[in-house]
Amino acid sequence: AQSVTQPDIHITVSEGASLELRCNYSYGATPYLFWYVQSPGQGLQLLLKYFSGDTLVQGIKGFEAEFKRSQSSFNLRKPSVHWSDAAEYFCAVVPMNRDDKIIFGKGTRLHILP
Amino acid sequence: DVKVTQSSRYLVKRTGEKVFLECVQDMDHENMFWYRQDPGLGLRLIYFSYDVKMKEKGDIPEGYSVSREKKERFSLILESASTNQTSMYLCASSLRASGANVLTFGAGSRLTVL
Repeated sequence: AQSVTQPDIHITVSEGASLELRCNYSYGATPYLFWYVQSPGQGLQLLLKYFSGDTLVQGIKGFEAEFKRSQSSFNLRKPSVHWSDAAEYFCAVVPMNRDDKIIFGKGTRLHILP
Repeated sequence: DVKVTQSSRYLVKRTGEKVFLECVQDMDHENMFWYRQDPGLGLRLIYFSYDVKMKEKGDIPEGYSVSREKKERFSLILESASTNQTSMYLCASSLRASGANVLTFGAGSRLTVL
């Protein structure tokens, strides 16, 4: 079955440390790829997206993600996290050969240690 | 920036009551969506709409209905609220029906059914 997997439900890192959040998808063709962030009590906000071209994508708030076709992955990275990055992060895909329904992963909650 | 406004941030209702959740977007987006968000389950699509008076079922439409009489407004209706509908409800919109769609979310409506 087609799916989006975020294998880590919770991740804890120290402020200033680097961060990588994992996302894998299972589709035949390269989908459109997204990362959204949800701060406590808020809706989701787009961090970055990949449609085509350069596989390293820059987003807002210093985040970047790299699309790796061979691994069916779209991992989110940040070199140095800030306390304000504590939030829930959602990977999402839209398969190119289907209708337009976006499919979300179940999310990874990021905790920041001072 | 486009805004998606959910008029009720917090609601407390009793079992059996009829509940209306309102969502308004101000950038002439064609598509509107209602999601439900629960811990450990991520976002689940309830209903979506590609045009005025058009609606399509998402993954979990049971117990819900929607109304889209004007392009900017998409309402979610719980005809007879039940305790298992206690949840966070997120409205979203996107410009048009194509895969390369960025969703813009409202801040959410947290519903508690007693």
